[in-house]
Amino acid sequence: DGGITQSPKYLFRKEGQNVTLSCEQNLNHDAMYWYRQDPGQGLRLIYYSQIVNDFQKGDIAEGYSVSREKKESFPLTVTSAQKNPTAFYLCASSGRGVDTQYFGPGTRLTVL
Amino acid sequence: QKEVEQDPGPLSVPEGAIVSLNCTYSNSAFQYFMWYRQYSRKGPELLMYTYSSGNKEDGRFTAQVDKSSKYISLFIRDSQPSDSATYLCAMSREGQNFVFGPGTRLSVLP
Repeated sequence: DGGITQSPKYLFRKEGQNVTLSCEQNLNHDAMYWYRQDPGQGLRLIYYSQIVNDFQKGDIAEGYSVSREKKESFPLTVTSAQKNPTAFYLCASSGRGVDTQYFGPGTRLTVL
Repeated sequence: QKEVEQDPGPLSVPEGAIVSLNCTYSNSAFQYFMWYRQYSRKGPELLMYTYSSGNKEDGRFTAQVDKSSKYISLFIRDSQPSDSATYLCAMSREGQNFVFGPGTRLSVLP
């Protein structure tokens, strides 16, 4: 089955810890994205990558970091610098020249 | 003014009703318009994709884009309890990132 997988589904973090969220796709898509979703708000873009070994900050990149070493993988690290990290995190991908995005199932991060 | 506005609901309708969901936007440069359905604690799934103005139909779903009014709609005919979800509109222009509405929560009551 082609698609986007995210792991873990639920993640708990203590204050001061860094955590890494996994995103993998087997759709052969060039572009990948990380969004944050909070209740009552639209999806907010954290980081995106149009090609391997290149990525750009989105609207709310502070306190987050990413890497894109492989086409199919785009992990997101939530660092201790992120002041309010409790949220639902969504990874998406899109093909070259295609103006639609496909989403993974999401990871719910809770800071204890 | 937010770039994309959407009534958050909740919107409750009886089974079989026609549902109308709407978004307004301020950026006249948007060309691509999408509707996503998101079930609770799941990722959004793409329902409809429209380029520029006009209508597009897919089964019980119809998407309309009125660029002159900067207004897009999603109609659901013969609504079912399984349609209960949050519906997100999204839009973009060539080479630019997507902008999402906050979503409308829909409940279809049996």
